[in-house]
Amino acid sequence: AQSVTQLGSHVSVSEGALVLLRCNYSSSVPPYLFWYVQYPNQGLQLLLKYTSAATLVKGINGFEAEFKKSETSFHLTKPSAHMSDAAEYFCAVSFSGGYNKLIFGAGTRLAVHP
Amino acid sequence: DTAVSQTPKYLVTQMGNDKSIKCEQNLGHDTMYWYKQDSKKFLKIMFSYNNKELIINETVPNRFSPKSPDKAHLNLHINSLELGDSAVYFCASSHGTSGYNEQFFGPGTRLTVL
Repeated sequence: AQSVTQLGSHVSVSEGALVLLRCNYSSSVPPYLFWYVQYPNQGLQLLLKYTSAATLVKGINGFEAEFKKSETSFHLTKPSAHMSDAAEYFCAVSFSGGYNKLIFGAGTRLAVHP
Repeated sequence: DTAVSQTPKYLVTQMGNDKSIKCEQNLGHDTMYWYKQDSKKFLKIMFSYNNKELIINETVPNRFSPKSPDKAHLNLHINSLELGDSAVYFCASSHGTSGYNEQFFGPGTRLTVL
């Protein structure tokens, strides 16, 4: 069975600091991995995805993530946080043959303070 | 030029009532989904339709019945509403059912059952 664990339900950083949001997955088959962002009272927006091509994936708004099979991880990073990055971030996994079913982690709320 | 739209945005109703949520996408996608986000922000898939056919039906009470009149629409009807049905319901769509396809989410419908 597939599952996703996001370490840290709340992360707080200073503006300009590195953002690191952790995601570990469990999958018996090769996974496809996604990071979505949810701003208050809005739907989810895709930040980036890993689909078995390059292991370092660049997304929108300066975010990137690296797929590490040996660590079963797909952590999200951004070199310099901006106030507008404050939101809820979700890591999700899907797989071939799963009808594109997304299995989400519990989410990490990112707070950015001046 | 809204991609995935949902109506209504807010729905407040009494226990025992029947209500419907509508979803429409103008992206030309052939696959649509319903997700439930609970009060702790946890997201879980409920249903998925591909070309108007049900392909994912998670463990959801029979009181929930999705209907897809065409590829661009997916509605969710809920009978005999219960307090535990209070949540935000998100509609999403994608092109195809391969696990690597991005899902586009609607803005959500916040359902409150009193």
